[in-house]
Amino acid sequence: NAGVTQTPKFRVLKTGQSMTLLCAQDMNHEYMYWYRQDPGMGLRLIHYSVGEGTTAKGEVPDGYNVSRLKKQNFLLGLESAAPSQTSVYFCASSYRGGGETQYFGPGTRLLVL
Amino acid sequence: KQEVTQIPAALSVPEGENLVLNCSFTDSAIYNLQWFRQDPGKGLTSLLLIQSSQREQTSGRLNASLDKSSGRSTLYIAASQPGDSATYLCAAPRGYSTLTFGKGTMLLVSP
Repeated sequence: NAGVTQTPKFRVLKTGQSMTLLCAQDMNHEYMYWYRQDPGMGLRLIHYSVGEGTTAKGEVPDGYNVSRLKKQNFLLGLESAAPSQTSVYFCASSYRGGGETQYFGPGTRLLVL
Repeated sequence: KQEVTQIPAALSVPEGENLVLNCSFTDSAIYNLQWFRQDPGKGLTSLLLIQSSQREQTSGRLNASLDKSSGRSTLYIAASQPGDSATYLCAAPRGYSTLTFGKGTMLLVSP
């Protein structure tokens, strides 16, 4: 039982490049989340999904897109990376919504030059 | 809009001390509150989830309380150890689907 896994662990991008971050969970959770964590700003929600085929915007969705084609996977895309997107990205999942414990992945450290 | 504040931002104590971490939230219409731990360079790990009907939840040396009327929660750590050094975050529900996190309290326990 791997829990929540994230790929890649670390990535360096140049401004304007695109990339996709992959999150996978093997706990059959309905809800999945993407957060970014920045010094002094705390953990902020980017997008989330309440089930396969659904997505919704969080606090800071601009510049990101997401897809949830399979229940176990939640993809976060950056179409044209900007230095402001340098951050640590965390994926999380829960069986249901805010009333349930969220399980976090180990994070992806992204540096945009 | 739910806002979550944690005080202090950082705390340094000698090993063996009992300590209290504070969390306050603005929307008291919550049905639970969660406490997480984050080690440097790692993801968050859930410590305790307190239902609004429980008022307290215990796990080993950790005890979390919830007072909805005052908009406050506390995490009590008994007999602190160097291994307790980490950042502790609280999170309150925002609506049904998501959580709002505080910025955390960075705890350092010295041997």
